[in-house]
Amino acid sequence: GAVVSQHPSRVICKSGTSVKIECRSLDFQATTMFWYRQFPKKSLMLMATSNEGSKATYEQGVEKDKFLINHASLTLSTLTVTSAHPEDSSFYICSARDGGSPRGDEQFFGPGTRLTVL
Amino acid sequence: AQSVSQHNHHVILSEAASLELGCNYSYGGTVNLFWYVQYPGQHLQLLLKYFSGDPLVKGIKGFEAEFIKSKFSFNLRKPSVQWSDTAEYFCAVNADSWGKLQFGAGTQVVVTP
Repeated sequence: GAVVSQHPSRVICKSGTSVKIECRSLDFQATTMFWYRQFPKKSLMLMATSNEGSKATYEQGVEKDKFLINHASLTLSTLTVTSAHPEDSSFYICSARDGGSPRGDEQFFGPGTRLTVL
Repeated sequence: AQSVSQHNHHVILSEAASLELGCNYSYGGTVNLFWYVQYPGQHLQLLLKYFSGDPLVKGIKGFEAEFIKSKFSFNLRKPSVQWSDTAEYFCAVNADSWGKLQFGAGTQVVVTP
């Protein structure tokens, strides 16, 4: 149990285009999902917290108009990188909390999406 | 500022050696502490966590960690490592009701046969 998937696993796009990344909790309802960015040989940096049915909360320094987050259901959150540029190239990872169980304090991580912007 | 520090960025050791990875945090108040592992090409997995109670926490795959409140530390240990323990290890702290995690920089552990 507690599986989180991401799609796509890898995407290459041209500069100026928008890219959508999906994060799904497959066998539980995720009241809260988180989006992280991981640079090469660096740690994970929290970008935003997403609660189902409400606006995402962005961390300081993260442009909310550039990284659009939608958490439309208890099993799906999407991150859209708008007008992507080469500096947006990174590994994006989502995680989800199973709010309806005793393990609610634990986050389950997706496999990540490698974005390359040419 | 709140932070999580991992002392070693890169550790190389032989099979059967003991492993200890340091983690210190700077948060006031109550914290939840985690160690995650990322095997090559795989996603982050929880090794163990501390919320309250016994400060010595046992996790999966023979790992354990000790929470020392006075030292703001949560060091990870394994008495005898295996080649399959080669991975990146992240310490993380949660100090708010949202469950937001702040990660340390990670420690790359390489176990040689």
